[in-house]
Amino acid sequence: AQKITQTQPGMFVQEKEAVTLDCTYDTSDPSYGLFWYKQPSSGEMIFLIYQGSYDQQNATEGRYSLNFQKARKSANLVISASQLGDSAMYFCAMRGNNAGNMLTFGGGTRLMVKP
Amino acid sequence: EAGVAQSPRYKIIEKRQSVAFWCNPISGHATLYWYQQILGQGPKLLIQFQNNGVVDDSQLPKDRFSAERLKGVDSTLKIQPAKLEDSAVYLCASSPAGQGAYGYTFGSGTRLTVV
Repeated sequence: AQKITQTQPGMFVQEKEAVTLDCTYDTSDPSYGLFWYKQPSSGEMIFLIYQGSYDQQNATEGRYSLNFQKARKSANLVISASQLGDSAMYFCAMRGNNAGNMLTFGGGTRLMVKP
Repeated sequence: EAGVAQSPRYKIIEKRQSVAFWCNPISGHATLYWYQQILGQGPKLLIQFQNNGVVDDSQLPKDRFSAERLKGVDSTLKIQPAKLEDSAVYLCASSPAGQGAYGYTFGSGTRLTVV
């Protein structure tokens, strides 16, 4: 069974500062993928970044980077230079190769960017 | 490329009534998923289709929920009879067969309120 844990229900960050959203996971699959999604108040799930379990380097996508520590089973999202539009729910999710391609989601973190 | 289409966008029904949601995936995507997202939680998989066959429906409350994807394209999720605890956003997603990273696309969801 797969499990994703996000321990921060809510986070505040000052505009233009960096923020780290925590995610830990548990799986018995030797090969898996980790995702971060952003969900604004409008409800759509917006894909941000992906990290494969065998990727040697941490993933980066613009202002988003993923701090992947495989031995600690953590995949934290780092957002640099926060913007007001970054205020939203953020979900960490996992796909395991033995799980039929489905995504298992964490409980989410609400990020609020202060002007 | 058109995204994943869902309708209706919002629905309010009384408990014990029935309701149906529709999803049209991205053209050519073989895999279709229905997720339930209760307020304040991460999405939870209800059912996964590969073409017109069910891959995983282990978390679908089959006494009241049903889903079909008869021609391997669009899909309908039904609840009959609805309960108060079914109030949630129902998200549809699709991906090409064998992929689950960048090919995973969510619709905007249907927000159901049961009163």
